[in-house]
Amino acid sequence: GAGVSQSPRYKVAKRGQDVALRCDPISGHVSLFWYQQALGQGPEFLTYFQNEAQLDKSGLPSDRFFAERPEGSVSTLKIQRTQQEDSAVYLCASSLHGRGTEAFFGQGTRLTVV
Amino acid sequence: KQEVTQIPAALSVPEGENLVLNCSFTDSAIYNLQWFRQDPGKGLTSLLLIQSSQREQTSGRLNASLDKSSGRSTLYIAASQPGDSATYLCAVQDNTDKLIFGTGTRLQVFP
Repeated sequence: GAGVSQSPRYKVAKRGQDVALRCDPISGHVSLFWYQQALGQGPEFLTYFQNEAQLDKSGLPSDRFFAERPEGSVSTLKIQRTQQEDSAVYLCASSLHGRGTEAFFGQGTRLTVV
Repeated sequence: KQEVTQIPAALSVPEGENLVLNCSFTDSAIYNLQWFRQDPGKGLTSLLLIQSSQREQTSGRLNASLDKSSGRSTLYIAASQPGDSATYLCAVQDNTDKLIFGTGTRLQVFP
């Protein structure tokens, strides 16, 4: 596709509900990143894939967060038993090779947990 | 631990002014620095990417400089326009390949 695509754009979840956020990177991009952005803050790193391999998940805030990229293209970020503090914008980015190459971001998914 | 700071946090200027946005980082061991623009409720749009071996990059009315040894970058916007109003974020890429962001400068250009 022409750019990084994320769905849904908006998600309202009841506390305790599981959610799944989807990211479709730019075709051919090897590297894929997930970031979390709280209101008025810069994005913070969650996890990083190179092809289907998850190279870094040090930013995932708890074991309720899980990400996968099984075929090295589309990625899903899953949050189990959502809590109010999970409310944020979740941004996905892709880049051609990762290190040293330009990162392109999607529009983000705004998650609100009520 | 790498920390990125952006000054000022907010800026309001009349149309036509030339602007300088500042970004500083604590660890000079970076691969590159990238400037982004974010409009309200939107994702990030890449503006300029400066590799660690480069001193500056230019795109239209935008010019970004990098002084890696002193941990500083500036984004210069010439002849500002109301359409430039947005939040500007800088981010450095470290040796783990992830981007580390500042908190942004919120710019408003009024007619």
